[in-house]
Amino acid sequence: DTEVTQTPKHLVMGMTNKKSLKCEQHMGHRAMYWYKQKAKKPPELMFVYSYEKLSINESVPSRFSPECPNSSLLNLHLHALQPEDSALYLCASSPLGSGYNEQFFGPGTRLTVL
Amino acid sequence: SQQGEEDPQALSIQEGENATMNCSYKTSINNLQWYRQNSGRGLVHLILIRSNEREKHSGRLRVTLDTSKKSSSLLITASRAADTASYFCATVGATNKLIFGTGTLLAVQP
Repeated sequence: DTEVTQTPKHLVMGMTNKKSLKCEQHMGHRAMYWYKQKAKKPPELMFVYSYEKLSINESVPSRFSPECPNSSLLNLHLHALQPEDSALYLCASSPLGSGYNEQFFGPGTRLTVL
Repeated sequence: SQQGEEDPQALSIQEGENATMNCSYKTSINNLQWYRQNSGRGLVHLILIRSNEREKHSGRLRVTLDTSKKSSSLLITASRAADTASYFCATVGATNKLIFGTGTLLAVQP
């Protein structure tokens, strides 16, 4: 299994809702990432988990809360989002806990905040 | 924090032609990677070139790296309609983070 899966593919939520994005990989990778991508822009790093511990938080607002329950799973919990948070949220993984290898990306969750 | 600028922003060519995209970056790197993204989907890794390498090939792809000029280029030879996508360079430096450039939108006309 050489892919990263993300669910759901699409999510529409109100500003008072709580929702979660899920990411899964079964390649034995020890680093997992969340990126945010706005339309016609490059992906921007949000969080990095290395060996199931949060190693990088790019000053992301607390309404985004990451969780890594085990080495295969990565969640992003969403609460009280703003319309400007609407974007494509990409999950990625890489073999080692560093940026020295290629990253494998999931197809993304397209989030719309009303 | 955006590291790379890509040029051109958009490129339209005919099938069979070669496509060249350029990437310039600002700080020293450990490696530079190129990714492809089909419309609104996940990114696919194409090639990684380390700072001590000057050129790398993978199938129809050729990547060059000039660390003195802080620039890289991606050449796609004999392009196909299926190559239509956005192409991003991404650098890894001392922070170990992958930082993407602005991207080039390539359209290959059949």
